Amino acid sequence: DQQVKQNSPSLSVQEGRISILNCDYTNSMFDYFLWYKKYPAEGPTFLISISSIKDKNEDGRFTVFLNKSAKHLSLHIVPSQPGDSAVYFCAARIRTNAGKSTFGDGTTLTVKP
Amino acid sequence: DAGVTQSPTHLIKTRGQQVTLRCSPKSGHDTVSWYQQALGQGPQFIFQYYEEEERQRGNFPDRFSGHQYPNYSSELNVNALLLGDSALYLCASSLVGDPETQYFGPGTRLLVL
Repeated sequence: DQQVKQNSPSLSVQEGRISILNCDYTNSMFDYFLWYKKYPAEGPTFLISISSIKDKNEDGRFTVFLNKSAKHLSLHIVPSQPGDSAVYFCAARIRTNAGKSTFGDGTTLTVKP
Repeated sequence: DAGVTQSPTHLIKTRGQQVTLRCSPKSGHDTVSWYQQALGQGPQFIFQYYEEEERQRGNFPDRFSGHQYPNYSSELNVNALLLGDSALYLCASSLVGDPETQYFGPGTRLLVL
């Protein structure tokens, strides 16, 4: 049973437009959610996170939205840039279990110039 | 600051053999977590080490074991290798007092033939 799901394996958007990456989870114990970006031959890089006490967190061009009732979160990138092309992983954990994150399978984002 | 380093970068083994992967955490970090990332999937948590002890473990068999040294570096050992152990093995480090920030290394690509 996959507890964190990213149902879109890939997404292609035009430079300057909005990218929306989605993630669903099933474990209601999860109270902390993270997004990572991964380039080829590199490890995942932390992008942005959100605690379950919030429904939105913003950092520059990146915004994460959390809908606890739907067990759904999304990452918005505005405006999208070609350098954003990478694999994006959604991860979730119980906040006190630092380091033990459950990851989705990733969404490959391609931003076309 | 060298960040998280892992060695070797690539490794080829045959079924039944044993392998040791190494990780040096980011300077100042005291906690190391290991993840297995199979092709096309997200990272899966193997275990976490802090103060030279295994603190948390994911759903992996006893063939997977680890060690943490006093300088916080860590090893992942896998015995009796199976074809299904072929994957990218990622090490991530963090501070026990700052669990929000976890840095990943570039990984070791293991191929079992």
